[in-house]
Amino acid sequence: RKEVEQDPGPFNVPEGATVAFNCTYSNSASQSFFWYRQDCRKEPKLLMSVYSSGNEDGRFTAQLNRASQYISLLIRDSKLSDSATYLCVVNRPRSGGATNKLIFGTGTLLAVQP
Amino acid sequence: SAVISQKPSRDICQRGTSLTIQCQVDSQVTMMFWYRQQPGQSLTLIATANQGSEATYESGFVIDKFPISRPNLTFSTLTVSNMSPEDSSIYLCSVGVFAVVGHEQFFGPGTRLTVL
Repeated sequence: RKEVEQDPGPFNVPEGATVAFNCTYSNSASQSFFWYRQDCRKEPKLLMSVYSSGNEDGRFTAQLNRASQYISLLIRDSKLSDSATYLCVVNRPRSGGATNKLIFGTGTLLAVQP
Repeated sequence: SAVISQKPSRDICQRGTSLTIQCQVDSQVTMMFWYRQQPGQSLTLIATANQGSEATYESGFVIDKFPISRPNLTFSTLTVSNMSPEDSSIYLCSVGVFAVVGHEQFFGPGTRLTVL
């Protein structure tokens, strides 16, 4: 089982639609969670960090459920420019003072259609 | 966030040769990392570049194949040695910045390597 699992998609949605991505993680000791966006042939860019109480940034809402080890990203009023791959990322703690490690999901592809 | 540049942006190399990739940050950062993203895959951490000491490699990656330098807090290099076609990938450096939720990472634009 992968440490971070996402539905690979693709999600094909019309402009203006609301779309939700889900992600599960297996390491219950994980403390930090992020959503990154990666456009084709570009580097990943941090979209938002996920706070324990959930957080919103404009049209984007992230939620965390520690009991179920589940993270979600909701995009409202989808724009054509939202088309990208969305990566769920979990920070895996390590012992012995080693720097925590980011574990990347394989990403969910979103295609917003006109 | 920091501005990160990488050189070269892309290269095509012959098997058996080596390529050194440079990563430059516009501000001093404590944490720098090197990742690989193979075609159609997500990112895999190669190593943490430590300033003034040897890099810390992840399982499956060794210093002889991927030597890393970190002479100061704004610069690092990754060398891909004795290349084979399996090394064709995008190589990305990233920097870690402390934030409310722990440290957030920001990525350079990547180096797209093709080995023939």
